[in-house]
Amino acid sequence: AQKITQTQPGMFVQEKEAVTLDCTYDTSDPSYGLFWYKQPSSGEMIFLIYQGSYDQQNATEGRYSLNFQKARKSANLVISASQLGDSAMYFCAMREAGQTGANNLFFGTGTRLTVIP
Amino acid sequence: ETGVTQSPTHLIKTRGQQVTLRCSSQSGHNTVSWYQQALGQGPQFIFQYYREEENGRGNFPPRFSGLQFPNYSSELNVNALELDDSALYLCASTSDIRGRPTEAFFGQGTRLTVV
Repeated sequence: AQKITQTQPGMFVQEKEAVTLDCTYDTSDPSYGLFWYKQPSSGEMIFLIYQGSYDQQNATEGRYSLNFQKARKSANLVISASQLGDSAMYFCAMREAGQTGANNLFFGTGTRLTVIP
Repeated sequence: ETGVTQSPTHLIKTRGQQVTLRCSSQSGHNTVSWYQQALGQGPQFIFQYYREEENGRGNFPPRFSGLQFPNYSSELNVNALELDDSALYLCASTSDIRGRPTEAFFGQGTRLTVV
């Protein structure tokens, strides 16, 4: 099974509107972290927001918030007040604390967000 | 900026050649991971280095190898290059390897083209 699933290859949003990007995950590790990254066309992976599996509250960072539903194993990213500069690829990723010590990131296939003026 | 720097930014190599990519991790970060991102895909984990030792590996053949130095900088070496090795190679650094997963900061990547 895929560890991270992003079912929306592409999304469009009107400038100044809010948009939700979906992410579901699969793990049996009780300790894990969920991440969202933005990747503009330049290629760099920009960290947006992090949610730990034991965190009681949903993470927020400025215009970004993470809708964490542990029972559903979903970690959707909400971007409020979209800006033209938000147009990019968005990746959901997970890191498991694991047993081996290697806590690499598993990435989804990404969602391309386009903000329309 | 994240403080993670990679070099070179672009590279063109011929099939069968060898290549070395470099990464300087963020200050205070002792763990470096390498990822391969093929066009239109999400990054795939290659391997991770912690305290100069490989500490986890993804589904990549042995011709992908690496090093980590005492200053935590790292190299990714790929031997016998194949056309499918053409990708964006990303380096990420984190501050800890045990306990709670922590955020990873990425460099800008090296775009490798094999012809």
